[in-house]
Amino acid sequence: AQKITQTQPGMFVQEKEAVTLDCTYDTSDPSYGLFWYKQPSSGEMIFLIYQGSYDQQNATEGRYSLNFQKARKSANLVISASQLGDSAMYFCAMKLTGGGNKLTFGTGTQLKVEL
Amino acid sequence: DAMVIQNPRYQVTQFGKPVTLSCSQTLNHNVMYWYQQKSSQAPKLLFHYYDKDFNNEADTPDNFQSRRPNTSFCFLDIRSPGLGDAAMYLCATSRAGTGVANEKLFFGSGTQLSVL
Repeated sequence: AQKITQTQPGMFVQEKEAVTLDCTYDTSDPSYGLFWYKQPSSGEMIFLIYQGSYDQQNATEGRYSLNFQKARKSANLVISASQLGDSAMYFCAMKLTGGGNKLTFGTGTQLKVEL
Repeated sequence: DAMVIQNPRYQVTQFGKPVTLSCSQTLNHNVMYWYQQKSSQAPKLLFHYYDKDFNNEADTPDNFQSRRPNTSFCFLDIRSPGLGDAAMYLCATSRAGTGVANEKLFFGSGTQLSVL
């Protein structure tokens, strides 16, 4: 079975600074996908970025980048130039190829961007 | 523009009174999911449909049922809600089936269920 661990329940960052949200995962399956979602207080889960286990390069999407270290089984999210609107809950999640469509989430990190 | 729509946004029910939550999608995705998210916790998958095939999670209580009458709609039925069932219920869709890990899930805004 797969497992996602997010060890930072809460993080603070100053506006315009970069922040790293940690995520480690555990699976014996060689083929998987890693996702980050943002959940504002409104409740909707918003897709941010995806990294495949066989991808050679780290994923980037605008201000979001994923620091993928396969040997360490970590997939940290880096947000550059933080904005007030980035304040939200952030979830790391994993899906196994052939895993029956199941997306498993970590416990999340609450990010607060301050002036 | 809304692609996954959940109604209602807030639902209040009484202890033991059946309640149904609705989800519709305009994406024509073949997979639809229901997640339960309790306060400050990770979303937990209850079950999902791959087309008409229902896939229940092993630890989902029998109190929770689902129906998918067509591609666009999926319902979550809670037969006898308890106080512990108060949570946010998230509906999601995705395009691909088994064997593809890169298809992201599209979520609705959720239904916040209160049980009195």
